[in-house]
Amino acid sequence: DQQVKQNSPSLSVQEGRISILNCDYTNSMFDYFLWYKKYPAEGPTFLISISSIKDKNEDGRFTVFLNKSAKHLSLHIVPSQPGDSAVYFCAAQRRGSNYKLTFGKGTLLTVNP
Amino acid sequence: GAGVSQSPRYKVAKRGQDVALRCDPISGHVSLFWYQQALGQGPEFLTYFQNEAQLDKSGLPSDRFFAERPEGSVSTLKIQRTQQEDSAVYLCASSPFSSRPETQYFGPGTRLLVL
Repeated sequence: DQQVKQNSPSLSVQEGRISILNCDYTNSMFDYFLWYKKYPAEGPTFLISISSIKDKNEDGRFTVFLNKSAKHLSLHIVPSQPGDSAVYFCAAQRRGSNYKLTFGKGTLLTVNP
Repeated sequence: GAGVSQSPRYKVAKRGQDVALRCDPISGHVSLFWYQQALGQGPEFLTYFQNEAQLDKSGLPSDRFFAERPEGSVSTLKIQRTQQEDSAVYLCASSPFSSRPETQYFGPGTRLLVL
């Protein structure tokens, strides 16, 4: 049973445009969410996070939005750059579990020059 | 500074063979995690160490999987009698703290192929 779902396996956008990656979760016990970026043959690297007490967190070109009622979060990248091309994983942490992460399947983002 | 390193990077094993995968965490990191990433899937938690203590092994898929971290630094994930379904990338992550997931730094992974 997939508790964190990324329903779009891939996304292609033009350089300079906005990229929006989506993630849904089913476990209401999740209270902390993260996005990771992964290049081929490398491990995932942390990008941005958000606590369930917030609905938005921004870091430079990256913004994460959380809609708790819909159990939905999204990552916005503006403007998108070719170097952003990678697999993006959404991950969630359960309240009371201070280390274990549950990941989605990932979305491959391609930013075309 | 040096990040998390894993060896070997690639391993081909015949079904039934035992394998050992090594993780060298960032020096001084207390917490160490193993994840399994099957093709087309996200990483799945296997086990967690705090120093040398294995505090959670709930994600290990069977008793053929065994992990250790005897001196609280280097960790080894051992898979006995490998099966084809064990084919995956095995990721190791280390963290100075166990309570902040942003501080989990991942290694490049070991890609295991069981024939």
